[in-house]
Amino acid sequence: DSGVTQTPKHLITATGQRVTLRCSPRSGDLSVYWYQQSLDQGLQFLIQYYNGEERAKGNILERFSAQQFPDLHSELNLSSLELGDSALYFCASSVSSGEVYEQYFGPGTRLTVT
Amino acid sequence: SQKIEQNSEALNIQEGKTATLTCNYTNYSPAYLQWYRQDPGRGPVFLLLIRENEKEKRKERLKVTFDTTLKQSLFHITASQPADSATYLCALYYNQGGKLIFGQGTELSVKP
Repeated sequence: DSGVTQTPKHLITATGQRVTLRCSPRSGDLSVYWYQQSLDQGLQFLIQYYNGEERAKGNILERFSAQQFPDLHSELNLSSLELGDSALYFCASSVSSGEVYEQYFGPGTRLTVT
Repeated sequence: SQKIEQNSEALNIQEGKTATLTCNYTNYSPAYLQWYRQDPGRGPVFLLLIRENEKEKRKERLKVTFDTTLKQSLFHITASQPADSATYLCALYYNQGGKLIFGQGTELSVKP
């Protein structure tokens, strides 16, 4: 158990809908990262937050957005969902921001868009 | 953009042998490189980190090497066990951009 929690575990929704994925980092970790993993793309970095502020951005679509709250939990919002958004979404956390050490990954949320 | 290549084919070895996985990258060298293990349907688990000025790192049965001239990292598991069967991901961190870039991973299968 990494100490990172993600909810829900599974999510099935229809195209065009909007969903919110939630992540709670390990106790004491200030950085939260979101990744998307699909069979053909591998693990793709989406976005990082550090203590409530956006720190780094990857290949995140404009239809996706995220935020980190004062209690350090984070939410990833996916809107206007398409079939291609079906994937495993992982959240990870680490203590620091600028110089990243190991990241601790949550169990993931499996999103299926039908 | 940076490209990371890991053995795309699964690696099958016999229990007790040493497994060697390769991670190659293009362009400039990362500040450091990490290796993760991922089991099906689960999140990656951190194994080892090696910095650009380090040649080798060890942890129990694991060993990582980092050759910035060859632009390559090798990941070794000695005395492999069936429980080592998983997908192994290498990830590169660049100070510019401040993010980890993951390879596609290599699936390792250790047969008893």
